[in-house]
Amino acid sequence: EAGVVQSPRYKIIEKKQPVAFWCNPISGHNTLYWYLQNLGQGPELLIRYENEEAVDDSQLPKDRFSAERLKGVDSTLKIQPAELGDSAVYLCASSSARRSGELFFGEGSRLTVL
Amino acid sequence: GESVGLHLPTLSVQEGDNSIINCAYSNSASDYFIWYKQESGKGPQFIIDIRSNMDKRQGQRVTVLLNKTVKHLSLQIAATQPGDSAVYFCAENRGNAGNMLTFGGGTRLMVKP
Repeated sequence: EAGVVQSPRYKIIEKKQPVAFWCNPISGHNTLYWYLQNLGQGPELLIRYENEEAVDDSQLPKDRFSAERLKGVDSTLKIQPAELGDSAVYLCASSSARRSGELFFGEGSRLTVL
Repeated sequence: GESVGLHLPTLSVQEGDNSIINCAYSNSASDYFIWYKQESGKGPQFIIDIRSNMDKRQGQRVTVLLNKTVKHLSLQIAATQPGDSAVYFCAENRGNAGNMLTFGGGTRLMVKP
């Protein structure tokens, strides 16, 4: 079974440019998460989806960040415009309803903003 | 591979020894705890979990201990192997409904051959 797939693995952009990250969760997992991980720190939740509904987006900076999960499967996280402080690893994870605490993470998308 | 963290607390152990990684949590209402392992350049990987109605849970070579009185969680790894070298995070579920995991700061485990 394929794991959580994220792309791109690496992205380098100049500040004020837009960027988008894509995530394909494990088949059948209804819960999808986007986390941000700064160097030397644990992941921090940005948004959580139950199917196509965003049920927890309190930590998502809505002035520049947006996310969507159309049809309750794939998800996209967008930043527009990017700032220097957005440089981090963006992790996507998914979990099933049966074992909601066991999150399966993708390898992450490392963003560098110059 | 890229480094997950440069200034993490580090535990260095000899191959074959047992490792103990500690974690303090802050929310008395947290009812579910998980340990994750993160290797360089990869996403965190689930190791073991424990609910607040338990004090101890064992897996393959790993044991998690929960002390709710002092809000302390530990991960014990038996016969530590080079492949155990990684950053370990504890996470607590603070949610009353749904899954709201909050991750701690992580500990880097280095296994010396």
